[in-house]
Amino acid sequence: DAGVIQSPRHEVTEMGQEVTLRCKPISGHNSLFWYRQTMMRGLELLIYFNNNVPIDDSGMPEDRFSAKMPNASFSTLKIQPSEPRDSAVYFCASSSAIRLARADTQYFGPGTRLTVL
Amino acid sequence: AQKITQTQPGMFVQEKEAVTLDCTYDTSDQSYGLFWYKQPSSGEMIFLIYQGSYDEQNATEGRYSLNFQKARKSANLVISASQLGDSAMYFCAMRGGTDKLIFGTGTRLQVFP
Repeated sequence: DAGVIQSPRHEVTEMGQEVTLRCKPISGHNSLFWYRQTMMRGLELLIYFNNNVPIDDSGMPEDRFSAKMPNASFSTLKIQPSEPRDSAVYFCASSSAIRLARADTQYFGPGTRLTVL
Repeated sequence: AQKITQTQPGMFVQEKEAVTLDCTYDTSDQSYGLFWYKQPSSGEMIFLIYQGSYDEQNATEGRYSLNFQKARKSANLVISASQLGDSAMYFCAMRGGTDKLIFGTGTRLQVFP
């Protein structure tokens, strides 16, 4: 079975450019999560969706960040305009959202390493 | 507020020995789940083991076991018969009344021959 798929795996861009990160969750999972990992702040939840609907975006750092989930098999995280402080590893994770059971385990994609120059 | 604390920034263990990675948590939720993830140097986050707050037995997955002490709010990961490939960062995480997964700061484990 395919796991969570993220693209690109690495992205290098210049300050001010638009960046779009993509995620395909595990088939059948109905919850999707976007995380950011940095040395300074560790793993932070940015936003999560349940059945394609954004449930909590309180972790989105500012208006430059936006996320969409147009269907059950695809999500994007967009940064516009990008800044050097956005450099981090961005993870997408999915789960079947059966609350408080082993099945609600979040499975992570390989991450996108973003560098903003 | 929910919180996960991992007090060991780094641990060393000799190959074939067992090692315990500490994790304590704080929550006011009655129902919650505890997770351990491994992050090798390649960067991916790998799920290792899950423990539900109402599970009566400690969870085990191969060489991984979770020493769950509910009254002490601890969920330590035990790795038996360590292997060189176990060298990685290990994160403890909790999911309570919301869908959010709260992570600890991690413990870096180094296994030496």
